[in-house]
Amino acid sequence: DVKVTQSSRYLVKRTGEKVFLECVQDMDHENMFWYRQDPGLGLRLIYFSYDVKMKEKGDIPEGYSVSREKKERFSLILESASTNQTSMYLCASGTVANYGYTFGSGTRLTVV
Amino acid sequence: AQSVTQPDIHITVSEGASLELRCNYSYGATPYLFWYVQSPGQGLQLLLKYFSGDTLVQGIKGFEAEFKRSQSSFNLRKPSVHWSDAAEYFCAVGGKAGNMLTFGGGTRLMVKP
Repeated sequence: DVKVTQSSRYLVKRTGEKVFLECVQDMDHENMFWYRQDPGLGLRLIYFSYDVKMKEKGDIPEGYSVSREKKERFSLILESASTNQTSMYLCASGTVANYGYTFGSGTRLTVV
Repeated sequence: AQSVTQPDIHITVSEGASLELRCNYSYGATPYLFWYVQSPGQGLQLLLKYFSGDTLVQGIKGFEAEFKRSQSSFNLRKPSVHWSDAAEYFCAVGGKAGNMLTFGGGTRLMVKP
């Protein structure tokens, strides 16, 4: 089975800190995605990547950046965390035409 | 542009009752359709998918979904709900030409004993 692993399940950070959320997949997928999930707002795409060193903005990229130095790893970076970035963050990898996306277990980030 | 609407934000059913979760999509070509389930505090798990062929697709945990092209719908059903089915359910649409899935807003299912 495809596995997508997010390094932290729960994270508490202070306002202004630089935060790294890590995601690793083990199935050689080219496509990787970062979403945030908030009550009543569903899943919103932050950034995605089709290949190493390639990134594309999603619907809500402001305040975030990403890094994809290796195919299996896609990192989400909060340059200066703010309280409105408190959320559940979900990483996914995969292709629509194969089996859709496989999701990680999520990272619940609280910024205080 | 592709879009997905899940009209019901919350649904409550009694354990043992049947369930139908609605999903309507907008897509300009032949859609690929998915249903995912998310248990509290977890990521999303694929329940089933439709690519082509038989319009009634079977998934895991006893779920099924029916693709109706004329109604642009892909409703999820289960004949008898179990308490463990309480979760949030997401419908998604994508296409062969692209790599992007578009998700609906989700339906939260509660199961009464």
